[in-house]
Amino acid sequence: EPEVTQTPSHQVTQMGQEVILRCVPISNHLYFYWYRQILGQKVEFLVSFYNNEISEKSEIFDDQFSVERPDGSNFTLKIRSTKLEDSAMYFCASSGRELAKNIQYFGAGTRLSVL
Amino acid sequence: AQTVTQSQPEMSVQEAETVTLSCTYDTSENNYYLFWYKQPPSRQMILVIRQEAYKQQNATENRFSVNFQKAAKSFSLKISDSQLGDTAMYFCAPLVISSGSARQLTFGSGTQLTVLP
Repeated sequence: EPEVTQTPSHQVTQMGQEVILRCVPISNHLYFYWYRQILGQKVEFLVSFYNNEISEKSEIFDDQFSVERPDGSNFTLKIRSTKLEDSAMYFCASSGRELAKNIQYFGAGTRLSVL
Repeated sequence: AQTVTQSQPEMSVQEAETVTLSCTYDTSENNYYLFWYKQPPSRQMILVIRQEAYKQQNATENRFSVNFQKAAKSFSLKISDSQLGDTAMYFCAPLVISSGSARQLTFGSGTQLTVLP
């Protein structure tokens, strides 16, 4: 069964460093998303991406964040200068065409620890 | 903006028994989907079941079924014949279909379900 793949599973970084979280969505999907979950809190929407541009973004997704689809398979989330409060689980999700575009499939997540 | 309330932070059930997790939501939109996701200790987010708001028939997926009450904006999840592998955090998540292509899920705070042997 096709699945969303995220790497790395755990990323440790120093405050102020740049990190790139990587995702390989399901191959025929067209819509891509990033969510985050701070430990013990709700899962929060960050950004959605379609047709090579951002469709929607939340208040959390400020200038420190960016997304890119550098090739036909990868979808990345970059945090330019990490802060302690960026420590969280980051989930990538993707959805397909037509009715299936409303069903989002999630990757296993990347746990980001900012020290 | 949508709000989602899961009023049961923790629940437990004996193996093979049935348990119901509650969820209420608030939206002014008429076109939406409702989802239950589970998050086991591995923290992966796994789709359990979905319901289209325009369908009156409650969705069923093997041991999982929902009780969707549109007027009351209620969407509960019933797990029958509970198994140890059902132990997880369960999230209710509406997805509102508005103009444009963006589709964002709004998650509730979750219910931690523990299945006891």
